Amino acid sequence: AQTVTQSQPEMSVQEAETVTLSCTYDTSESDYYLFWYKQPPSRQMILVIRQEAYKQQNATENRFSVNFQKAAKSFSLKISDSQLGDAAMYFCAYLYGSQGNLIFGKGTKLSVKP
Amino acid sequence: KAGVTQTPRYLIKTRGQQVTLSCSPISGHRSVSWYQQTPGQGLQFLFEYFSETQRNKGNFPGRFSGRQFSNSRSEMNVSTLELGDSALYLCASSLGGFPDTQYFGPGTRLTVL
Repeated sequence: AQTVTQSQPEMSVQEAETVTLSCTYDTSESDYYLFWYKQPPSRQMILVIRQEAYKQQNATENRFSVNFQKAAKSFSLKISDSQLGDAAMYFCAYLYGSQGNLIFGKGTKLSVKP
Repeated sequence: KAGVTQTPRYLIKTRGQQVTLSCSPISGHRSVSWYQQTPGQGLQFLFEYFSETQRNKGNFPGRFSGRQFSNSRSEMNVSTLELGDSALYLCASSLGGFPDTQYFGPGTRLTVL
């Protein structure tokens, strides 16, 4: 069964600093997609970044970038120049073809200190 | 484009009652997926609808059901509510094919007393 593991229940970062959130997954599929979603206190789930497994290049979106290590089945999220608005729960999610539904990790709660 | 909308945002029900939640996808999106979020179990997939057909289903009891209308709006129904059904129910829409990105609504917070 496909699983997604986020080993850090909580993380903290100083404003303007960089933080990396970890995610590992287990799959035997070759064609799949990985996502990071952010869920602020408002509970709205917001897409942060998406990575296609067939792409070797790591995805980036402004201050957000990933380190995708396919062989290690690792997909970490790096947030640079952290802002107070980055404080939220961050979920790593996996999507593959035969099911089509997202499989989520348990989440990492990120706090940003001013 | 307007985002995914869900109504109502909050619901309080008692055990044994039934409830219907509604989700309107982003314009042009034909797939709607439903997820249940609880502190204990995290985010779990309920089901997915595409073109009025259930295309995929998670591991939930038959008390959980859904449907999709011709305008892609979707409803989910929970019958004979149990205390454990208290959760945030999230709806997500996508264009409809794999591997389209899913965009989420704000959720409906259901409390069962």
